[in-house]
Amino acid sequence: DTGVSQDPRHKITKRGQNVTFRCDPISEHNRLYWYRQTLGQGPEFLTYFQNEAQLEKSRLLSDRFSAERPKGSFSTLEIQRTEQGDSAMYLCASSPQNEQFFGPGTRLTVL
Amino acid sequence: RKEVEQDPGPFNVPEGATVAFNCTYSNSASQSFFWYRQDCRKEPKLLMSVYSSGNEDGRFTAQLNRASQYISLLIRDSKLSDSATYLCVVNIPNDYKLSFGAGTTVTVRA
Repeated sequence: DTGVSQDPRHKITKRGQNVTFRCDPISEHNRLYWYRQTLGQGPEFLTYFQNEAQLEKSRLLSDRFSAERPKGSFSTLEIQRTEQGDSAMYLCASSPQNEQFFGPGTRLTVL
Repeated sequence: RKEVEQDPGPFNVPEGATVAFNCTYSNSASQSFFWYRQDCRKEPKLLMSVYSSGNEDGRFTAQLNRASQYISLLIRDSKLSDSATYLCVVNIPNDYKLSFGAGTTVTVRA
């Protein structure tokens, strides 16, 4: 157990619904990342926070995706108007510097 | 061209065997290198960082070849518990994200 927690672990939703995931990083880590992973692929970077500032967003992060880290601690990732192509594992990682430690992920299935 | 490329395998080896595989990276400015291990439907877990001089952690040895832009992982005396997907990971300076390969699957059989 790395100390990074994510909630929920699984989410099944219908197309068009909004979903929100939460990540609690390791408390002393100021860097927080969101990745998405589909079957047979490595994780793909979505966005990065240093403390409460969102410093980088991938082109993969369409307008339907938004992430926040309001107090520099936990983070939320919201997907609006979900599509079947959003089905994936959403991974959160935290880092003190270079090495990143992943949470267990939230597996999203969009029907 | 993908930033990080790996042979997907699978590498099927008997217990006790040695297995080795490489990954290549495209950005010559890459600075940090890692191997992560991922079990089926689980999160990636850091196996080891890869240093310029090469490094060893128990049965695992990682090597970096900057000239040819590849990283290798060697597993000696394979155990059943080594069965997993091994992800090659690269980071470039001033770029916070990690770039992952698609993974190499290793299956160790009894």
